[in-house]
Amino acid sequence: ETGVTQSPTHLIKTRGQQVTLRCSSQSGHNTVSWYQQALGQGPQFIFQYYREEENGRGNFPPRFSGLQFPNYSSELNVNALELDDSALYLCASSNRLAASTDTQYFGPGTRLTVL
Amino acid sequence: SQKIEQNSEALNIQEGKTATLTCNYTNYSPAYLQWYRQDPGRGPVFLLLIRENEKEKRKERLKVTFDTTLKQSLFHITASQPADSATYLCALSLGNTGKLIFGQGTTLQVKP
Repeated sequence: ETGVTQSPTHLIKTRGQQVTLRCSSQSGHNTVSWYQQALGQGPQFIFQYYREEENGRGNFPPRFSGLQFPNYSSELNVNALELDDSALYLCASSNRLAASTDTQYFGPGTRLTVL
Repeated sequence: SQKIEQNSEALNIQEGKTATLTCNYTNYSPAYLQWYRQDPGRGPVFLLLIRENEKEKRKERLKVTFDTTLKQSLFHITASQPADSATYLCALSLGNTGKLIFGQGTTLQVKP
């Protein structure tokens, strides 16, 4: 088990609503990445936060936004939810200064269902 | 277009045999290739990383090869056990960008 925690575990929303997902990174890690994983697919990179700023973004619309706090925890916000946003949302932490690779330590994920 | 592909069909093998999973990619020049294990309802867990200038990496019963000419990585589990049953994901890293590009995963089922 990694030290990355996510909340909530499961969430049900309706189309058009907004959602906030939370992540606490592993101790000693300063970087948080968010991924979306649809059923039967691999994780898709949404964005990464380092030093409280977005540091790289995947092919996701602006209604996907995030924050990183001084304690390195992070939030993922999704506005105007669509049915296709139903997925497992994974948070991953790493130490950008210590590592020369992109090995990610994942949390257990938040299962979001949009009805 | 850029693609990373793993066998979409599940791999079923007998306990004790060697499982071999394939990861192919096109139009990428990865600095590293990583393999993760994912159990149902859980996040991926890092297993092994291999660099572009390495041909092979081993860790206990696991072995990864990386052929940048063929644009392919093979992941082997020797003396497989039912506890090895899971989905295995390969992921490309293009450098220290923080972005991993994942394949769709291959589900391995090891039967006793």
